Amino acid sequence: GENVEQHPSTLSVQEGDSAVIKCTYSDSASNYFPWYKQELGKRPQLIIDIRSNVGEKKDQRIAVTLNKTAKHFSLHITETQPEDSAVYFCAASGSDNDMRFGAGTRLTVKP
Amino acid sequence: DTGVSQNPRHKITKRGQNVTFRCDPISEHNRLYWYRQTLGQGPEFLTYFQNEAQLEKSRLLSDRFSAERPKGSFSTLEIQRTEQGDSAMYLCASSSLVPTYGYTFGSGTRLTVV
Repeated sequence: GENVEQHPSTLSVQEGDSAVIKCTYSDSASNYFPWYKQELGKRPQLIIDIRSNVGEKKDQRIAVTLNKTAKHFSLHITETQPEDSAVYFCAASGSDNDMRFGAGTRLTVKP
Repeated sequence: DTGVSQNPRHKITKRGQNVTFRCDPISEHNRLYWYRQTLGQGPEFLTYFQNEAQLEKSRLLSDRFSAERPKGSFSTLEIQRTEQGDSAMYLCASSSLVPTYGYTFGSGTRLTVV
């Protein structure tokens, strides 16, 4: 089955700096890669996603890149703000549609 | 709120007792998923349904766990003879069938086994 690894486990940046979180996946059949943000005590919420036919997608300060050959994808947050502080999870799913998640990255944005 | 609804939000039970959780997905979503999340970890896949059919079960789902979605709408997850290691957040999510989109998660049921 799919195995998703995520790095780093914790990330601390200064407000205004950029943050990058990286994930790798094992199943070459995976074709959908969402990112979720989870604040303390709350449900994971989808913030951006990318499909295997696209190499990059951007939504305001958030962007995701995908390298199918290397089987890795990354989340980029620019101009970070304190409210970006949360745990971020990457995930991957294939044709069977059951999604596997990374272990998460705790992002702290210092004001 | 017309999102995914889970009940109860919190459950404290004694070891050895049975517990049942309920999930009401977004009404037009065919697929329903159960995940377990422990502190500091990502959600771990347990099982999923397409309509009323249970299509996949993780090895994490021991014989003490059973999930149902009898009418293809709400789902229940039952844990029999609970153990302390079952303490976790149990998340339900739903999605449409095709194309694949991100899941919508419920708020979860936090289980504490004492």
